[in-house]
Amino acid sequence: LAKTTQPISMDSYEGQEVNITCSHNNIATNDYITWYQQFPSQGPRFIIQGYKTKVTNEVASLFIPADRKSSTLSLPRVSLSDTAVYYCLVGDPIYNQGGKLIFGQGTELSVKP
Amino acid sequence: NAGVTQTPKFQVLKTGQSMTLQCAQDMNHNSMYWYRQDPGMGLRLIYYSASEGTTDKGEVPNGYNVSRLNKREFSLRLESAAPSQTSVYFCASRTPDRVITDTQYFGPGTRLTVL
Repeated sequence: LAKTTQPISMDSYEGQEVNITCSHNNIATNDYITWYQQFPSQGPRFIIQGYKTKVTNEVASLFIPADRKSSTLSLPRVSLSDTAVYYCLVGDPIYNQGGKLIFGQGTELSVKP
Repeated sequence: NAGVTQTPKFQVLKTGQSMTLQCAQDMNHNSMYWYRQDPGMGLRLIYYSASEGTTDKGEVPNGYNVSRLNKREFSLRLESAAPSQTSVYFCASRTPDRVITDTQYFGPGTRLTVL
């Protein structure tokens, strides 16, 4: 299983773009990269998933370099409501038939007015 | 479509008592998971079930047992609760295998305190 490393915490201000980087040096060929968001007292919820290059949805963008040893979650123009913990996960959704999904320590993002 | 439901939402136990946490999903997912989250910490995988009839240990299985009753339900049992098991417990289910978008859906959590 690929281990992930993220910054423990980040601070930002409303309206700024926030980039959170995750390192996964041992990522396997079939692994996808998935990001989750967790608010206090709630379960995590899916934000975005990708395999390579760039993925964008209505919430965020995910940048993955060619070597796939890291990935960057980009949150455009954050607001106070984006204050949460963000988790990066690496796993194989195709051949890993319902197998282990291990969460890392996550990045606690604090958005200030 | 309720998604993933967990019962109870809150529970207080005394050391040595037993209890079962219930989890059910109505999304026809094959895989289900139990995590615990201690205050200020990330999620740690306790047990998971790839499909009905199979269960496997995660990172922290000691002190717990699980049962995959059917495709919908996955229960977590504490046989003899200890204060170290005070935590928030999350159940999750995962979209069917062999699809490109692979996500987990989490329940609201059970807040357990062991005195």
